[in-house]
Amino acid sequence: NAGVTQTPKFRVLKTGQSMTLLCAQDMNHEYMYWYRQDPGMGLRLIHYSVGEGTTAKGEVPDGYNVSRLKKQNFLLGLESAAPSQTSVYFCASNRDVSNQPQHFGDGTRLSIL
Amino acid sequence: DAKTTQPPSMDCAEGRAANLPCNHSTISGNEYVYWYRQIHSQGPQYIIHGLKNNETNEMASLIITEDRKSSTLILPHATLRDTAVYYCIVRPRPGPRNYGQNFVFGPGTRLSVLP
Repeated sequence: NAGVTQTPKFRVLKTGQSMTLLCAQDMNHEYMYWYRQDPGMGLRLIHYSVGEGTTAKGEVPDGYNVSRLKKQNFLLGLESAAPSQTSVYFCASNRDVSNQPQHFGDGTRLSIL
Repeated sequence: DAKTTQPPSMDCAEGRAANLPCNHSTISGNEYVYWYRQIHSQGPQYIIHGLKNNETNEMASLIITEDRKSSTLILPHATLRDTAVYYCIVRPRPGPRNYGQNFVFGPGTRLSVLP
């Protein structure tokens, strides 16, 4: 029972490089989310998706892009990485917008040098 | 959107009940209270949620006051593995502008279970 799986788990980038973080869920959830968490802080929403082919901006979307081409996958892209994007990134999903809780992956630790 | 207030840290002796308070005095009538925890930078783990009745599951109990302005998460027999940051979250009313902004994580309460 995998739940929400994030790849990679760790990555070090140089400033200006690009990369894509992958989130996959096997629960047939409609809604998926990308958060970032910085030291000593709570989670902040970057982008989210309410279904296949749809995406929307969250609280801190600048510098990131997302795509939801398949229902089970939600990709987070950094086109030109900056040191300010050093963070731990979490993906989450849930079935719908009623009272269902979000289920989280174990995170991707990203360092930008 | 209703905001929550939690103490920054708490200690609890191993084997005793851990009672984690949360204040949400501006909660609206149809907003749920959720509890998550995060163990050492792992992904947040869902614990329990409720609307106005007390709830219990295999992990914890949730006690919500009658006026719904505060709640308490109870871990009945805390173990060392319960050491974590606990987040109390009030889920805002969903709508066309905030379907995705369902869960706002604040700083939470750092619970230390002591041997």
